[in-house]
Amino acid sequence: DGGITQSPKYLFRKEGQNVTLSCEQNLNHDAMYWYRQDPGQGLRLIYYSQIVNDFQKGDIAEGYSVSREKKESFPLTVTSAQKNPTAFYLCASSIQGRGEQYFGPGTRLTVT
Amino acid sequence: KNEVEQSPQNLTAQEGEFITINCSYSVGISALHWLQQHPGGGIVSLFMLSSGKKKHGRLIATINIQEKHSSLHITASHPRDSAVYICAAAYNTDKLIFGTGTRLQVFP
Repeated sequence: DGGITQSPKYLFRKEGQNVTLSCEQNLNHDAMYWYRQDPGQGLRLIYYSQIVNDFQKGDIAEGYSVSREKKESFPLTVTSAQKNPTAFYLCASSIQGRGEQYFGPGTRLTVT
Repeated sequence: KNEVEQSPQNLTAQEGEFITINCSYSVGISALHWLQQHPGGGIVSLFMLSSGKKKHGRLIATINIQEKHSSLHITASHPRDSAVYICAAAYNTDKLIFGTGTRLQVFP
């Protein structure tokens, strides 16, 4: 079955530690996205990538980093510089040039 | 600032009722998306439309480009329709601006 997987579903970290969230897709989509969701707010774009080895900052990129070494994978690292990392993180992908996005199940990150 | 506004924020209904959720956006868009988020957090794309109306089962989405407004309708609502419904505007082909969502609860 084609789709997007994110792991783990729940992640707990201590403050000051970097953590990497996984996102893999087998839809052969060129474009991939990372969003953050906080209570009472719409999804906000962290980073996106339209092609392998290239990515752009979204609206809230500070404190995050990404890589796109393979078409299927777009991992997100939440660094210790991110002031409020506790949130629900969603990965999505789309066919380049078409707007419909397919979402993964999300990872809920809690930093204490 | 959020350029997509949804109403209402919360909505409760009895099973069988007709549901309408509204979405307004501020400037011209290339497409408007309706998404459904279940309690576990996963998001499913329901519709993407740039004009007119689309229907899938009991769900209908409409858009009025002149009025910069879209509606999502659910006919004969059912408890399994309980979810958060999110509209998102595409201001260019791939980047979306999301509304804050409408939480719908349908009671038997």
